[in-house]
Amino acid sequence: NAGVMQNPRHLVRRRGQEARLRCSPMKGHSHVYWYRQLPEEGLKFMVYLQKENIIDESGMPKERFSAEFPKEGPSILRIQQVVRGDSAAYFCASSALPPSGQGANTEAFFGQGTRLTVV
Amino acid sequence: GDSVTQMEGPVTLSEEAFLTINCTYTATGYPSLFWYVQYPGEGLQLLLKATKADDKGSNKGFEATYRKETTSFHLEKGSVQVSDSAVYFCALSDRRSGYSTLTFGKGTMLLVSP
Repeated sequence: NAGVMQNPRHLVRRRGQEARLRCSPMKGHSHVYWYRQLPEEGLKFMVYLQKENIIDESGMPKERFSAEFPKEGPSILRIQQVVRGDSAAYFCASSALPPSGQGANTEAFFGQGTRLTVV
Repeated sequence: GDSVTQMEGPVTLSEEAFLTINCTYTATGYPSLFWYVQYPGEGLQLLLKATKADDKGSNKGFEATYRKETTSFHLEKGSVQVSDSAVYFCALSDRRSGYSTLTFGKGTMLLVSP
């Protein structure tokens, strides 16, 4: 059973371009979370999605950032018109059930991350 | 809001030394507490967790006890190995409307030399 797969592992974009980050959850997982790690910072929650629904996007910047998790295919985090401050590591995690903190099926499994560099 | 503070690294130790990585938290409820580990080039892996006060999480020789009175969840290991070299993240779960998201500390890099 493959783990959470993120691609690309490294992404370089020029200012003003679009960045598309992909996340394929573990088999059987329908809950996906995106986190961002800025340099010298911890991971910060961005968005929580279930299939075709955004449940909580309280950590997403109000502009230029969007996320989706379609019925078929991976979850996509899209950043439009990237700026240097978007340079960070973006991690995706998935779980079988909402992670209420109890029980094995609520554990969130993380991908290896995508390192975005804006030049 | 909720927050996690952990000691800055890198922590450098010789093999078989005793390890402590301090972690304290601020939370409005009764969160669950976690330690994640990130080995070079890999994603975060759950190392151990504790869901209520005085619980002790343990795995692979690592331990951490949920101390509500001191709002701490310090990570300890009696004898580290070179293979333990990694970045360690302390985290808490923030229960919202029946689901939880994770609040992380900045991470502490551990370097173990032979």
